[in-house]
Amino acid sequence: EDQVTQSPEALRLQEGESSSLNCSYTVSGLRGLFWYRQDPGKGPEFLFTLYSAGEEKEKERLKATLTKKESFLHITAPKPEDSATYLCAAPMDSNYQLIWGAGTKLIIKP
Amino acid sequence: ETGVTQSPTHLIKTRGQQVTLRCSSQSGHNTVSWYQQALGQGPQFIFQYYREEENGRGNFPPRFSGLQFPNYSSELNVNALELDDSALYLCASSLWGAVLEQFFGPGTRLTVL
Repeated sequence: EDQVTQSPEALRLQEGESSSLNCSYTVSGLRGLFWYRQDPGKGPEFLFTLYSAGEEKEKERLKATLTKKESFLHITAPKPEDSATYLCAAPMDSNYQLIWGAGTKLIIKP
Repeated sequence: ETGVTQSPTHLIKTRGQQVTLRCSSQSGHNTVSWYQQALGQGPQFIFQYYREEENGRGNFPPRFSGLQFPNYSSELNVNALELDDSALYLCASSLWGAVLEQFFGPGTRLTVL
């Protein structure tokens, strides 16, 4: 069964304290792994797409990496404005339906 | 470039009622997907529309239905509302062929009492 699992459920960091969020997936024939950021009460905001193991993408303090079984979202020297829920998703075989993880709620304390 | 917009922002209904939610896709995007997101969960795929036809459906009953119009805007209709339908309803638009890179609207918060 296709599945996407994120850990931890919540992560509290001090400003400047780097860490990583995990997204593990069991999707046959992976055709992309997506990361989104979601602020409370708002729609998800697209961050990255990764297509193949070994691929890395960066945006400001965020870097996403992909292996054959999981993806990591590394956050370096985070700031309070990085506080949000980070979601990952992968497409099912049908190609139009994304399976989503439940998200990691990231809280950065000043 | 205009982003994805949704209306209304919030809605309160009672059990058994019907509701219509609306979405305008991002300029140039011809594909619209609808999602239901319960509190603390990831979005759940409801269905997708392309060229005014349903192009795929998730595990939702027939009382969830939709439309897409020639200008690519879309509606989500839910009949016979149940308490469990309370959620954030998200619309996402994309280009067919790049359908997986979806851009979301702000959502409609539906509360069923």
